[in-house]
Amino acid sequence: GEDVEQSLFLSVREGDSSVINCTYTDSSSTYLYWYKQEPGAGLQLLTYIFSNMDMKQDQRLTVLLNKKDKHLSLRIADTQTGDSAIYFCAESPMDSNYQLIWGAGTKLIIKP
Amino acid sequence: DGGITQSPKYLFRKEGQNVTLSCEQNLNHDAMYWYRQDPGQGLRLIYYSQIVNDFQKGDIAEGYSVSREKKESFPLTVTSAQKNPTAFYLCASSRGTGYQPQHFGDGTRLSIL
Repeated sequence: GEDVEQSLFLSVREGDSSVINCTYTDSSSTYLYWYKQEPGAGLQLLTYIFSNMDMKQDQRLTVLLNKKDKHLSLRIADTQTGDSAIYFCAESPMDSNYQLIWGAGTKLIIKP
Repeated sequence: DGGITQSPKYLFRKEGQNVTLSCEQNLNHDAMYWYRQDPGQGLRLIYYSQIVNDFQKGDIAEGYSVSREKKESFPLTVTSAQKNPTAFYLCASSRGTGYQPQHFGDGTRLSIL
């Protein structure tokens, strides 16, 4: 079956890098997304990557994809208090008509 | 600015009452979606629509209904048949299906009186 798994919490010090991990199980070609949700708000699309890519970088964000292990990570450089949020990983397999399969979200906690 | 507007932000339902959540988008997107979010869980798909006058059930459609009479609008009705409606409801839209990323509104929090 299709499943997306994430750790529920990650705690980092302000100024350090945060690495949020996600594993997925679908074997077909797929798009993989990272969304950010601040308290009481909707989801904000951060970035997305196709499963034939290894890496994508956008300012402080770096997405790494290990296709063999079906492991996706989101690295946030120089983590700031404004990065405190829940981060969702989602998969969009071609053979599921591109409907999104969501992880449960990782809450990023920033320590001063 | 283009975006997705959900209203109201907070909504209270009495026992036996139907309530309707509004979702409007001015992004000219063809596809629209409704999700339910419960604490500590990922998003669960209630209904989605790929085109006007057509919609499909998602994973948890029981106790909900939708309509798609206009491209811009996709209202969700939470009926009295939904016995546990307390949740955060999110509306999203995308340019189409396929890999097009979904964009979200700010959500409606529904509670039971």
